[in-house]
Amino acid sequence: GIQVEQSPPDLILQEGANSTLRCNFSDSVNNLQWFHQNPWGQLINLFYIPSGTKQNGRLSATTVATERYSLLYISSSQTTDSGVYFCAVERPNDYKLSFGAGTTVTVRA
Amino acid sequence: NAGVTQTPKFRVLKTGQSMTLLCAQDMNHEYMYWYRQDPGMGLRLIHYSVGEGTTAKGEVPDGYNVSRLKKQNFLLGLESAAPSQTSVYFCASHTGVPYPEAFFGQGTRLTVV
Repeated sequence: GIQVEQSPPDLILQEGANSTLRCNFSDSVNNLQWFHQNPWGQLINLFYIPSGTKQNGRLSATTVATERYSLLYISSSQTTDSGVYFCAVERPNDYKLSFGAGTTVTVRA
Repeated sequence: NAGVTQTPKFRVLKTGQSMTLLCAQDMNHEYMYWYRQDPGMGLRLIHYSVGEGTTAKGEVPDGYNVSRLKKQNFLLGLESAAPSQTSVYFCASHTGVPYPEAFFGQGTRLTVV
């Protein structure tokens, strides 16, 4: 199956700092999503971004499909940004949404 | 707006017992998924369904069975629970391209003793 690698595995930030999370994938995809899992375990969809760039408030994401990677940017981080960020991908006509191992982000006040 | 609802939220089973986890979605989504989440391993796909009456194996299907008799429900069964199946189970659904954003249930924490 497709391999999804996320880096770094852990990230500790001071409130107000910016950061970049990376997702590499091993095959062509037609579906790439970023999720945030909060400390209570709830998974929330942040972006559907198989290519291009999107922004939502302090978060933005860029996917370069031809080079098989995606980046998630967190700007002016807040303590509520803490949690685990997952990248998930799906190959054309495969229908399996496969997840990376995640990046655990801790934002300290 | 219920979204994706999982039942139960918590369960403790003895080794060898059976149980069924229910996932219900009210968004008319075609695609539904069952994942398990273990520490440091992200979410691993157990089984999935691309529509009513269909099921397919994911990455870690052994020891689990599924059924999708109605479009809104996706059931995950454990016929003979083992301690290795202790995990948090998540159900997800989406409507497919061009709006494949997946929505997750709140999770079921299962402990097998």
